[in-house]
Amino acid sequence: DSGVTQTPKHLITATGQRVTLRCSPRSGDLSVYWYQQSLDQGLQFLIQYYNGEERAKGNILERFSAQQFPDLHSELNLSSLELGDSALYFCASTGTDSGNTIYFGEGSWLTVV
Amino acid sequence: DAKTTQPNSMESNEEEPVHLPCNHSTISGTDYIHWYRQLPSQGPEYVIHGLTSNVNNRMASLAIAEDRKSSTLILHRATLRDAAVYYCILRAAQGAQKLVFGQGTRLTINP
Repeated sequence: DSGVTQTPKHLITATGQRVTLRCSPRSGDLSVYWYQQSLDQGLQFLIQYYNGEERAKGNILERFSAQQFPDLHSELNLSSLELGDSALYFCASTGTDSGNTIYFGEGSWLTVV
Repeated sequence: DAKTTQPNSMESNEEEPVHLPCNHSTISGTDYIHWYRQLPSQGPEYVIHGLTSNVNNRMASLAIAEDRKSSTLILHRATLRDAAVYYCILRAAQGAQKLVFGQGTRLTINP
């Protein structure tokens, strides 16, 4: 158990819909990362937040947005969903231990039908 | 982001050592070398990291070349549970410090 909690674990929704994925980082971790993993793209970095502020942006679509709240939990919002958005979405967090090890959650499986 | 190169796949036998190579010729002086692995249907899991010196922990050893342009992850005695995709990643010491994953090496362990 990494200490990073993601909900929901599985989600099936229709094209055009909007979903929200939630992440609770490890206690005390200020940085949260979102990654997308699909069969043909591998693990793609989407976005990072640090203590509520956006720190880095990767290959995140304009239809996707994220935020980190004062209690440090984060949400990834996916809208106007397309079949190609079906993927495993991982959240990760990092603290201040040596090397700033990044801890990943178990992921949220999104299936768009 | 500095790039790493790993073999697509490797195979080994149970209870034998495994050496997973990684090339990172464009590494900068402050980049850490991180290794993560991903078991089927799970999130990536931290294995080990280092900067210049060789490192050991309960999971593995990391051997870093003197010029830092390559490294090797060593699993001393592979078990079936070590079958996974192993990622070698360079991580900046400062700034966003995000992990940029490549394709990794798919390790198969034969009983």
